[in-house]
Amino acid sequence: DQQVKQNSPSLSVQEGRISILNCDYTNSMFDYFLWYKKYPAEGPTFLISISSIKDKNEDGRFTVFLNKSAKHLSLHIVPSQPGDSAVYFCAASAASGTYKYIFGTGTRLKVLA
Amino acid sequence: DVKVTQSSRYLVKRTGEKVFLECVQDMDHENMFWYRQDPGLGLRLIYFSYDVKMKEKGDIPEGYSVSREKKERFSLILESASTNQTSMYLCASSFGGQETQYFGPGTRLLVL
Repeated sequence: DQQVKQNSPSLSVQEGRISILNCDYTNSMFDYFLWYKKYPAEGPTFLISISSIKDKNEDGRFTVFLNKSAKHLSLHIVPSQPGDSAVYFCAASAASGTYKYIFGTGTRLKVLA
Repeated sequence: DVKVTQSSRYLVKRTGEKVFLECVQDMDHENMFWYRQDPGLGLRLIYFSYDVKMKEKGDIPEGYSVSREKKERFSLILESASTNQTSMYLCASSFGGQETQYFGPGTRLLVL
């Protein structure tokens, strides 16, 4: 039972355009969400987070949107750069749970120069 | 800056060998985690620890054990390696609760 889903395994975007990565979750108890970026042969690096009390969080070129009623979050990257090419994971946790984050399966973003 | 280090970047082991993967963090984090990453499956939690000598099973603990004798160090043990344990192993740490997890560079393990 995949509680966090990233239904697009890959995405290609032209440099300078917007990249939109999507993530859906099924557990309504999830109240904190993270996005990570991962380059090959490296560990994931934290990008941005959002709490369920917000519907948007912005950090430079990265914005995360949360739609609680749809149980959906998205990561927007504007403008996209070739260095953004990586695998992106979303992760979710519940305050009432343990210390666990549940990760999605990842979306491979390729930004074309 | 948080630093999480893993003892090896690449390992090749034979079926049946005992394998130790070590992780060290330098930020006095309470929580430490071991994940494996496989294509199409994302990151799956093997074990985690929220205090010294404390451990909890994650989603896929079978075939693995862990040890946390010191706060900064969390070891993953494969008692008898099997080919289906060929994977990328990632260690992470965090302060606690829902705090951001910081990952090490990963160990790519090949079991022949």
